Amino acid sequence: EPEVTQTPSHQVTQMGQEVILRCVPISNHLYFDWYRQILGQKVEFLVSFYNNEISEKSEIFDDQFSVERPDGSNFTLKIRSTKLEDSAMYFCASRLARGLFGNTIYFGEGSWLTVV
Amino acid sequence: AQKVTQAQTEISVVEKEDVTLDCVYETRDTTYYLFWYKQPPSGELVFLIRRNSFDEQNEISGRYSWNFQKSTSSFNFTITASQVVDSAVYFCALSNRDDKIIFGKGTRLHILP
Repeated sequence: EPEVTQTPSHQVTQMGQEVILRCVPISNHLYFDWYRQILGQKVEFLVSFYNNEISEKSEIFDDQFSVERPDGSNFTLKIRSTKLEDSAMYFCASRLARGLFGNTIYFGEGSWLTVV
Repeated sequence: AQKVTQAQTEISVVEKEDVTLDCVYETRDTTYYLFWYKQPPSGELVFLIRRNSFDEQNEISGRYSWNFQKSTSSFNFTITASQVVDSAVYFCALSNRDDKIIFGKGTRLHILP
């Protein structure tokens, strides 16, 4: 079973600090997403990334967030200046192609971010 | 607009009972996918099923079964002979050609020994 790997599994950071969450998608996949889940709430879409650019983003994904694939393997989510309300589980997702017909989306195990 | 409603916030049943988790969705698209995910206490999202909008056949996988009814925009999930290990939060979700997945708020299921 292919696997999406996320690091760190849990990070505690002080408000105002920059945080980078890392994801290693499945090697031949081309589309990558980040989702967020605030404790006790539903999972929410943040952003999709393809061909080194954002293909879609939600209203949650404001200027303090950025994504990149710096080295062709890692896919990162950066939060520039963390706020208390950024505390959440962040899920990376990886898929081979656009469109879901015959195309499975794989989620990583999540990175817990706690902002204090 | 797309929306997924899981009206049951929390359910408790005694082990070995059957339990059905409800899911109602809204979409204007004729082509879409529906999903169920399980989130155990450890936090990861465990994929359970994906159904496309053209396939209304019900599906059974072991103790799990799914009832997809386009007429009522519902995609309900039944666990037969529940076990304590089934205790988790279950999310119903929807996706169209845009690919992003819209999740419901989840149903927390407690299976009591």
